[in-house]
Parts: sequence; structure tokens; C-alpha cells
Amino acid sequence: AQKVTQAQTEISVVEKEDVTLDCVYETRDTTYYLFWYKQPPSGELVFLIRRNSFDEQNEISGRYSWNFQKSTSSFNFTITASQVVDSAVYFCALSERSNQAGTALIFGKGTTLSVSS
Amino acid sequence: SAVISQKPSRDICQRGTSLTIQCQVDSQVTMMFWYRQQPGQSLTLIATANQGSEATYESGFVIDKFPISRPNLTFSTLTVSNMSPEDSSIYLCSVAHWGARGQETQYFGPGTRLLVL
Repeated sequence: AQKVTQAQTEISVVEKEDVTLDCVYETRDTTYYLFWYKQPPSGELVFLIRRNSFDEQNEISGRYSWNFQKSTSSFNFTITASQVVDSAVYFCALSERSNQAGTALIFGKGTTLSVSS
Repeated sequence: SAVISQKPSRDICQRGTSLTIQCQVDSQVTMMFWYRQQPGQSLTLIATANQGSEATYESGFVIDKFPISRPNLTFSTLTVSNMSPEDSSIYLCSVAHWGARGQETQYFGPGTRLLVL
């Protein structure tokens, strides 16, 4: 069965600290897709990144970086030099074997990040 | 990316009544998904709506309670029927969008915040 675990419920940091959000997933498929979304207090869900199971190259985008490791079934997300605007709930999600029509996502429970000034 | 709008953005309803939520996409999509996010919780898939066929519901969700329409490739509605306070949630629709390199990303509407008294 598919499952996404975000063990950290809440994280509090002070501005400029680096913070890593953990995500561990379970799937029986060899082809799958992993996502990170941000949900600020306003409530909308903002897409951050998508990763294919066959592409283990890690990625950096500005202050954000992602570490995908199939060996440990993890897809961790790091924010460098955090800012107050990073305060939000972050969701890790999994979908399996896209069939060109779309596949629903399985979400983790989310990690609430609070960045104070 | 796909641009998704939802109506209403929020509503306060009396128990026993029904509310229909609309989801409009700016491009044609095969599948649309409806999720529920209960207060402080993660997102749970309610159903998948394919144009021209009946929606497919996840375990714990039934058509009588959450009827869905999908009249064309850019529009869908979700009705929350015979509401009770337990239905107070954010309801979100999403679509799968394929980029230039054939990569699927799921985008979400802004959500409908429902409070049932």
C-alpha cells in the first residue's frame, strides 16, 4: 500500500537558520512520483517540486533543495537561511504510475514550519 | 501550469442543507480530483471525476453524500449533501497538467472553506 510519513509535526526556527523537513514513503511500484507542496496561512496549495522515481539527481532552487534517496525511501526538503515568509504547512505527496490521464496524490500529514524573526 | 478557480471561496451553512462547489480549469483536462482537508489535517481524496463517466469514490465517501458532475473537460462540481458540522472542511479540486517534457504535475484550486453550524 502507498503511504507517506512526515514524522515532524511542527518545527520552529529563527530566521536565517537552515531547516530540513523529512519525508519517508512506501510504495510497491517501481515507477512513482514525489511532490512537495506548501500551504501558507491563506490556505492555497502551492506546488514546489516534482521528482520521478527514476531520477535520483538532487535539486537546488534558490534557498530550497531536495534530497531524494531511493535506498532509504526518503525525499527530504531543506530550506536554507529561512525567512518568516517560509512559515507554512509543508506536505509531501506520492503518486504512482501516471497513466497520462492523471493520478491522485497520497499526502503525508504535513509539517508546520514556524519561522520567527 | 493550469489555472484553477473555485466557487464559492467560503460559505457558512446550516446543518441539513446542501452546498455545490464549482471548479473551473483554464485548459481541457481528462481527470479532475476532489480532496477534503479537515481542520488541522492533511488532504484526503474524495473522488476522481472523469469526463463522460461516473466519478470514482474512495473508501469512506459515497455518491449520495458527495455527488459529482463533470459535464465537460474544463468544469466539475462537488455537492456536499445533508451537511453536518463534521463536514466543515476545506474542499479542493485539482488537475494533472503535463509540461513540455511530458512531466505530470498536479495543481490545486484555491479551495472552498466550508463551515457547517
